[in-house]
Amino acid sequence: EVELVESGGGSVQPGGSLRLSCAASGSSLSDHYVDWVRQAPGRGLEWVGRISNKAHRYTRDYAASVKGRFVISRDDSQNSVTLQMKSLKVEDTAVYYCVRESRDPLWVGELLYYLHYMDVWGRGTPVTVSS
Amino acid sequence: QSVLTQPPSASGTPGQTVTISCSGSSSNTGRNIVNWYQQVPGTAPKLLIYRDNQRPSGVPGRFSGSKSGTSASLAISGLQSEDEAVYYCTVWDDSLNGWVFGGGTKLTVL
Repeated sequence: EVELVESGGGSVQPGGSLRLSCAASGSSLSDHYVDWVRQAPGRGLEWVGRISNKAHRYTRDYAASVKGRFVISRDDSQNSVTLQMKSLKVEDTAVYYCVRESRDPLWVGELLYYLHYMDVWGRGTPVTVSS
Repeated sequence: QSVLTQPPSASGTPGQTVTISCSGSSSNTGRNIVNWYQQVPGTAPKLLIYRDNQRPSGVPGRFSGSKSGTSASLAISGLQSEDEAVYYCTVWDDSLNGWVFGGGTKLTVL
């Protein structure tokens, strides 16, 4: 059973930077996409971004709210993923979750599709951006 | 304003059946699978339903999912006190090129 553990959260001033890490144990992450999802205090879930696997060239996608400021990277040899955050804003204050994304193949005629879902969540690490 | 629309609250008494809706559009729920999560306050979300109607191992059969057109639903039958939580739907949006979530539905067991 895979376990994800986030670290690196803390307090930072607006405009500052922070680097979050996600370490996986119990199973390899290398074949999986990995997402970051955040939750502001008292609010709902917001997707931050994701990184694909090596087979898909480590493609990255980001939410519009963080694009250009956040960068996701991964080290499959260390079974870990990193979220580098810069130019932080007060509205980035949230608990940040690392999430494994799995996918199931689906054949429709001769075409192969993949059905994606986020299945394993870490416990989260809190980030506070305040002056 | 969430891309997916969920009712902010729902309630029921023990043993009842409660249904939570999730409404989207042609770029998300209309073409991609819907997944549901349960979040007990103070804990991380937990996958409850994936691929519209599949339950991960360990999730009781009281939880079921369905989808029709651009709307999805989560049904909880035989409601129990431990079902009190916030429930979120999520789906990949092809126009936004990212995951989108509903605003969450807080379920109260009366």
